[in-house]
Amino acid sequence: DQQVKQNSPSLSVQEGRISILNCDYTNSMFDYFLWYKKYPAEGPTFLISISSIKDKNEDGRFTVFLNKSAKHLSLHIVPSQPGDSAVYFCGLDSNYQLIWGAGTKLIIKP
Amino acid sequence: DVKVTQSSRYLVKRTGEKVFLECVQDMDHENMFWYRQDPGLGLRLIYFSYDVKMKEKGDIPEGYSVSREKKERFSLILESASTNQTSMYLCASNGTPGFSPLHFGNGTRLTVT
Repeated sequence: DQQVKQNSPSLSVQEGRISILNCDYTNSMFDYFLWYKKYPAEGPTFLISISSIKDKNEDGRFTVFLNKSAKHLSLHIVPSQPGDSAVYFCGLDSNYQLIWGAGTKLIIKP
Repeated sequence: DVKVTQSSRYLVKRTGEKVFLECVQDMDHENMFWYRQDPGLGLRLIYFSYDVKMKEKGDIPEGYSVSREKKERFSLILESASTNQTSMYLCASNGTPGFSPLHFGNGTRLTVT
């Protein structure tokens, strides 16, 4: 039973537009919610996080939204740039254990 | 800047061989982790360690073991490699207490033939 789901295996967005990546989860015991970005042949790198007591966190072009009632997490990238093309994983932290989504491949079209 | 170094980027091994994957971190982190990444399955935790000589099973420990003799080094061992262990292996570390993002190495692509 998957606790964390990223329902879109891939997403294609025009350069300059908004990219929205989504993540749904099934239980409420998570303390932190994170997004990681992964390029081919590299390890994932931490992008942005949000604690369970907040509903929004912003860092430059990246904003993470948390809707606890809907058990839904999203990452907004505005404006999207070619270097944003990567696989994005959401990770949910409970007692320092991370539960991961399967990843969404984001493709930014020029 | 945290650095997590995995000793090999690519490995090709035969079925039945014993395989060692090495990972070293330079930030004095207490916690170290081994994951494997497979398409459509995300990152799955194999083993982790909160301290020297300490290990805990993750979600998929079968067929693997680990060793942490020094704080900076965490080794993953495939006792008898099988073709279903062909995967990308990722080592990560973070510190405690409190929330601390994981820092990953660049991964080892292991192929078992």
